Amino acid sequence: GQQVMQIPQYQHVQEGEDFTTYCNSSTTLSNIQWYKQRPGGHPVFLIQLVKSGEVKKQKRLTFQFGEAKKNSSLHITATQTTDVGTYFCAPDRYGNKLVFGAGTILRVKS
Amino acid sequence: KAGVTQTPRYLIKTRGQQVTLSCSPISGHRSVSWYQQTPGQGLQFLFEYFSETQRNKGNFPGRFSGRQFSNSRSEMNVSTLELGDSALYLCASREGRANTDTQYFGPGTRLTVL
Repeated sequence: GQQVMQIPQYQHVQEGEDFTTYCNSSTTLSNIQWYKQRPGGHPVFLIQLVKSGEVKKQKRLTFQFGEAKKNSSLHITATQTTDVGTYFCAPDRYGNKLVFGAGTILRVKS
Repeated sequence: KAGVTQTPRYLIKTRGQQVTLSCSPISGHRSVSWYQQTPGQGLQFLFEYFSETQRNKGNFPGRFSGRQFSNSRSEMNVSTLELGDSALYLCASREGRANTDTQYFGPGTRLTVL
């Protein structure tokens, strides 16, 4: 089946530092979605990437889809305490199931 | 539009009991999926319903079942509860079944099995 690996599992940064999480697939993806889950909350949709090499920005967040459509990244510039949470990637459906990566837990020290 | 709602929000049961969780999707959404979230296993897909039919199923034992009603509301049932069933159960709805459709998650039901 489709395998997806998300790294790192955990990152603790100083407020103002940058943060990046990566999602790597063993197979070519048709699209990938990113979600954020705050502590005690539920996953909230952030963005979807569809095209090879696509780059999308949301304020301090930059999302990239690799040229081969096998990997994706989420980069946060100048982290803030409000960025705390777990970031999940969800590659295209395998058998129409939404498969999630294990997530990257981000903690921000102020 | 109102978001996805789930009831109850918290539940405590004992081993061997059964439990039914409810999910009301966003108005107009016909697909409902269920997920189990635990610290050790992350987000695991349980099943998806669309137009009252189960369309996909994850790798969970038959003790986990679900259904969807004509108004798209969905329920999931877990029989003969085990300690390991303690988890956050999340429901997500989407408008259709296209792989580009966004899933919107509910707040979840926190199930504790004692």
